[in-house]
Amino acid sequence: QLQLQESGPGLVKPSETLSLTCTVSGGSISSSSYYWGWIRQPPGKGLEWIGSIYYSGSTYYNPSLKSRVTISVDTSKNQFSLKLSSVTAADTAVYYCARRGPTNKDPFDYWGQGTLVTVSS
Amino acid sequence: SYVLTQPPSVSVAPGKTARITCGGNNIGSKSVHWYQQKPGQAPVLVIYYDSDRPSGIPERFSGSNSGNTATLTISRVEAGDEADYYCQVWDSSSDVVFGGGTKLTVL
Repeated sequence: QLQLQESGPGLVKPSETLSLTCTVSGGSISSSSYYWGWIRQPPGKGLEWIGSIYYSGSTYYNPSLKSRVTISVDTSKNQFSLKLSSVTAADTAVYYCARRGPTNKDPFDYWGQGTLVTVSS
Repeated sequence: SYVLTQPPSVSVAPGKTARITCGGNNIGSKSVHWYQQKPGQAPVLVIYYDSDRPSGIPERFSGSNSGNTATLTISRVEAGDEADYYCQVWDSSSDVVFGGGTKLTVL
């Protein structure tokens, strides 16, 4: 059974960079042609796609966040990561990592439990 | 950018049928996925590719998609179905798009 687990600081100061890692277990990131993505949810609000990385390393970002987002993959650790720069209070949210199928039309079928990141001084 | 529009809330009595809509320009030409999210939990896929059900999802959950509206239908609603529901598509210009979500209340 595939499992995803987010990790990283729960508190980030304004203007700094938010960094999260998603560790995948029960399957290899590099052995299958899947997309690995990040989705966030501000408190009391809806889901927002941040971006995805294909198993080959190609990246795709939400245009509204593109200038501040970097997603990377570390196949040796079976992890992929999110960096969001110049954060503000508006970036306070639960951040989820998730797997999407091998085509861009596929759904997110496995999700991490989510991690709350608060932006505050 | 592509926009998906959902009603903020839907209410239904136990045992009745709930219909949650997801509107988008010519959404019938796209593949729609639906997620259920209960408080404090991660979203769970309940319908994919308009009308397919993942294993473990009750047959009471069904979906359809035509024209400018996709619909998630929950038959014989139970108290445990109370949750937020989100539709999602992939669009060539916007990439992944989620609807704003619908809170289903079981009366």
